Amino acid sequence: GQNIDQPTEMTATEGAIVQINCTYQTSGFNGLFWYQQHAGEAPTFLSYNVLDGLEEKGRFSSFLSRSKGYSYLLLKELQMKDSASYLCAVRSAYGGATNKLIFGTGTLLAVQP
Amino acid sequence: DAGVIQSPRHEVTEMGQEVTLRCKPISGHNSLFWYRQTMMRGLELLIYFNNNVPIDDSGMPEDRFSAKMPNASFSTLKIQPSEPRDSAVYFCASTPPGGSYSNQPQHFGDGTRLSIL
Repeated sequence: GQNIDQPTEMTATEGAIVQINCTYQTSGFNGLFWYQQHAGEAPTFLSYNVLDGLEEKGRFSSFLSRSKGYSYLLLKELQMKDSASYLCAVRSAYGGATNKLIFGTGTLLAVQP
Repeated sequence: DAGVIQSPRHEVTEMGQEVTLRCKPISGHNSLFWYRQTMMRGLELLIYFNNNVPIDDSGMPEDRFSAKMPNASFSTLKIQPSEPRDSAVYFCASTPPGGSYSNQPQHFGDGTRLSIL
């Protein structure tokens, strides 16, 4: 089966740090992506992990543990513009090489002053 | 460079009517994906093409939905007849060659917001 779990909503304060968790159970694994989606807009790519460990990109970092089926997205120095939905997506390797992404339902982050 | 282009941006129509959504992928990209997004179910993959050939259509909800990709620069998603439960935002996305093993993300269009009355 294919299952990706994320918290539905989170609230954080401007300037703070927030961690958004994602756990997955998929038939095969070939990489994990995080996307940001502002209301009424398209998802935009944030980060990619395929090996265990931390990938850092400016204020955003993403961590992966393949043995635990677990990832998190870390946002530092939160800004009001970071209020958005954050989508975790796993690229499945079931049936061989594939470009197919399975998305979680997303975590709606509200950044408060 | 132009991104993924979808049309129309908004569509409102009555149930029973045929709806056609259009997508132009990024030039040079050879994989194209159609998604549907709703509050209840999130982002769901409907179908994806590789080199204009449908690879996986297991997400197409029923026979009322069909998709074509006649060439590398154009794809359509058709709903006939449409029903109120088809109301959603439909996204098209594309990736360049080698996407299965690379860090190349899917690039999304702005979506079509479809309302079936």
